[in-house]
Amino acid sequence: KAGVTQTPRYLIKTRGQQVTLSCSPISGHRSVSWYQQTPGQGLQFLFEYFSETQRNKGNFPGRFSGRQFSNSRSEMNVSTLELGDSALYLCASSPGASGRPPTDTQYFGPGTRLTVL
Amino acid sequence: AQSVTQLDSHVSVSEGTPVLLRCNYSSSYSPSLFWYVQHPNKGLQLLLKYTSAATLVKGINGFEAEFKKSETSFHLTKPSAHMSDAAEYFCVVRAFNQAGTALIFGKGTTLSVSS
Repeated sequence: KAGVTQTPRYLIKTRGQQVTLSCSPISGHRSVSWYQQTPGQGLQFLFEYFSETQRNKGNFPGRFSGRQFSNSRSEMNVSTLELGDSALYLCASSPGASGRPPTDTQYFGPGTRLTVL
Repeated sequence: AQSVTQLDSHVSVSEGTPVLLRCNYSSSYSPSLFWYVQHPNKGLQLLLKYTSAATLVKGINGFEAEFKKSETSFHLTKPSAHMSDAAEYFCVVRAFNQAGTALIFGKGTTLSVSS
């Protein structure tokens, strides 16, 4: 199976602009999660989508948003970019097993490196 | 609430010597714990996971970890380091609520391997 793919791999934007990142999960996976990685804050959870619905959200401002399509592909959007948004954005997919607690494993893509100037 | 603490930000070993990366966890529930590895400019790769089955978990590339509830630890070990093991390693606990799930990452341990 192909792994998680993310596009674009690298992106340069200026402050105030907005950006959209894309993630294609492993075939058959229904859950997609997004994480931000920065040198200062490390890896932080942004949000999780399952069957086109956001079912979990981290502690990020409303400028960060996302969505999931019927084919499980996901996009995240950051509006009004700030310098501090420069980071590696990682997407992870998992089968999205039902029941609690979920035990399935998340598989990560290579990330999108966003630089805000 | 769940959390993990990686006790060393940087570990240096010589090739062929044992590796020990330390991780303590805090969890209100029986935890699901993971170790991921990240090579430079690459995504995260799962090394191994613990989900309340055997306490000694074997992973890829000769790594293993032991879940010790009494010590709230989940240390990662490898008997003999290889140059290709040089990377950043993350101890991770799964956090979940009624709505969904998220992974909580430690700050990472950079492993350096010298020849």
